[in-house]
Formats: sequence, C-alpha cells, structure tokens
Amino acid sequence: GENVEQHPSTLSVQEGDSAVIKCTYSDSASNYFPWYKQELGKGPQLIIDIRSNVGEKKDQRIAVTLNKTAKHFSLHITETQPEDSAVYFCAASPEAAGNKLTFGGGTRVLVKP
Amino acid sequence: EAGVAQSPRYKIIEKRQSVAFWCNPISGHATLYWYQQILGQGPKLLIQFQNNGVVDDSQLPKDRFSAERLKGVDSTLKIQPAKLEDSAVYLCASSLLTGGNTEAFFGQGTRLTVV
Repeated sequence: GENVEQHPSTLSVQEGDSAVIKCTYSDSASNYFPWYKQELGKGPQLIIDIRSNVGEKKDQRIAVTLNKTAKHFSLHITETQPEDSAVYFCAASPEAAGNKLTFGGGTRVLVKP
Repeated sequence: EAGVAQSPRYKIIEKRQSVAFWCNPISGHATLYWYQQILGQGPKLLIQFQNNGVVDDSQLPKDRFSAERLKGVDSTLKIQPAKLEDSAVYLCASSLLTGGNTEAFFGQGTRLTVV
C-alpha cells in the first residue's frame, strides 16, 4: 500500500518568513495530493490540493509543488502569520474519486510574532 | 452548509468496555470515512463507505471494531472490547463522489481515552 513520509516534524519560523514542508510517497499510482491544516481540538481542514497533471498550484500565500518522477511534493507558506500556527498534514491518494487518503505524520508549525 | 457532525466529543472508558461513536455526514455526500488519529500521528483510514456499502475496511481491526452506515446517511463505529491502544481521536469525514471532486470534509472528532 501507499506510504507517505513527511518532514520536518516540527518547524518554528519568525512571522513574515517562509515555511516549507516536504513529503514523499511510494505508490506511483497516487494522483491526488491534498494538504490539510489541523488546529487544536478540530478536525483537519483542506487548504490546498494538487493533481498529478499539474506541477505547481498557488492560492494566495500558499503554494504546492509536485514532482511525480521523484515522488515528492511540498507545501510552501510565504509571509507567515501567527494564525498559520497549526499541524499540517500531507496526504496521497491513488484514486481521483472516492479517494482513500494516506496521511503523512504531520508537521507542527509555530509562527513566532 | 452544515459540516460533518460527530458525537460524543469526548469519551473515557475502562479497558474491555464497549463504546460507540456516531457520525452525520454533510447532506448529499455519498462517501463516508472513519479515521483513527493517535496522538502525534496522521489520521489512518479504518473504513470507507460508498452510500451504505463498504468500499475498504482493510485496516479495520475486525475482531473488535465494527461500523455500519444504515440507509447511506449516518454511521456508527463501535469498539468492543476496548484496549488501551485504542486511545485516539476518531475522525469521521465525508466527500461528494463526483468526477474530479475529491475533497474530504472532516468532523471535529471523538477523543477516546481507554484507562
């Protein structure tokens, strides 16, 4: 089955700096890669996703890149703000519909004011 | 639009007792998932339903865990008997099964503590 590795496990950045989280996956059949943000006491919430026919996607301060050859994808957050502090999860799915998500271990991001 | 509803929010039980969690997905969402999230880890899929049929339960410990989704709407997840290692947050999620739409919406979860 699919295996997703995520690094780093914790990340501390100064407000205004950029944060980068990297993930690798094992199943070449995976073609859907979402990123979720989880705040304390809440369920994960989708912040951005990318499909295998796209190499990069951007939404305001958040961007995701995908390298299918190397089987890795990354989340980039620019101009970080204190409200970006949370745990971020990457995931991969081999199906485009009715997706079965395999999650990475998570990255705890702390943005220091 | 109402989100995924789960209850209870918290549950503390002794080992070998039984427990049940309830989930009400977003209206119209055909696919429902139950995930187990152990502290400090990412969610792990336990079971996936498509309407009221099971699509994938390969990671469900069937000797103690069971789940059902009657009438293709609400779902319950049961653990009997519970073990200490079952302590985790149990997340329910749902998604609208249409071509190209794959976002899974998560509920707040039920935090289970087994003592």
